[in-house]
Amino acid sequence: DVVMTQSPLSLPVSLGQPASISCRSSQSVAASDGNTYLNWFQQRPGQSPRRLIYKVSNRDSGVPDRFSGSGSGTDFTLKISRVEAEDVGVYYCMQGTHWPLSFGQGARLEIK
Amino acid sequence: EVQVVESGGGLVPPGGSLRLSCEVSGFTFSADWMTWVRQAPGKGLEWVANTNPDGSEKYYADSVKGRFTISRDNAKNSLYLQLNSLRVEDAAVYYCGTGGQMDVWGQGTTVTVSS
Repeated sequence: DVVMTQSPLSLPVSLGQPASISCRSSQSVAASDGNTYLNWFQQRPGQSPRRLIYKVSNRDSGVPDRFSGSGSGTDFTLKISRVEAEDVGVYYCMQGTHWPLSFGQGARLEIK
Repeated sequence: EVQVVESGGGLVPPGGSLRLSCEVSGFTFSADWMTWVRQAPGKGLEWVANTNPDGSEKYYADSVKGRFTISRDNAKNSLYLQLNSLRVEDAAVYYCGTGGQMDVWGQGTTVTVSS
């Protein structure tokens, strides 16, 4: 099974400052079809999760452009260029390449 | 706009059964994979099951294999999850999502397993 490891798990950030979350997979999540099914989700307090980024770096509709994803193989990063108050919550990476699908532990972003 | 609405959660004793439903609109349901994910109280996200567009392929997490069954009715734009032999550790909010990568999530339905 593919284990997804996120770091840091807690991320205190000042408003307007950048933030970065790392996600590492225990094996490559590059698929044989040429795609890499690495997704990022945001879960605000008391809400359902929503997807922010799919296939490493593609923003979902309505996601602000301050969010960006990058990486390849086993190493991925979610960056927020300037943190806003509405970004508070837990961020999860998920690999959708290998069965069973798997999520990272979640990284909690809070305002410092 | 895609809308996903789960229902069917509730309180059930250990060993009991429950059937969750997920109705989707604004989306070509019959053309895409569908997914169930759960979240135990205060915990992270756990993938539960997926099914392909015509329901002929089904994949399950080891923790639910043999006890849970995913199915779909494309004529009703609906996805289901039959939960049997429920355990205390199955208590969670169950989310339905479009696609194989959880493109759009519902609000979830809560399953409580307790005597």
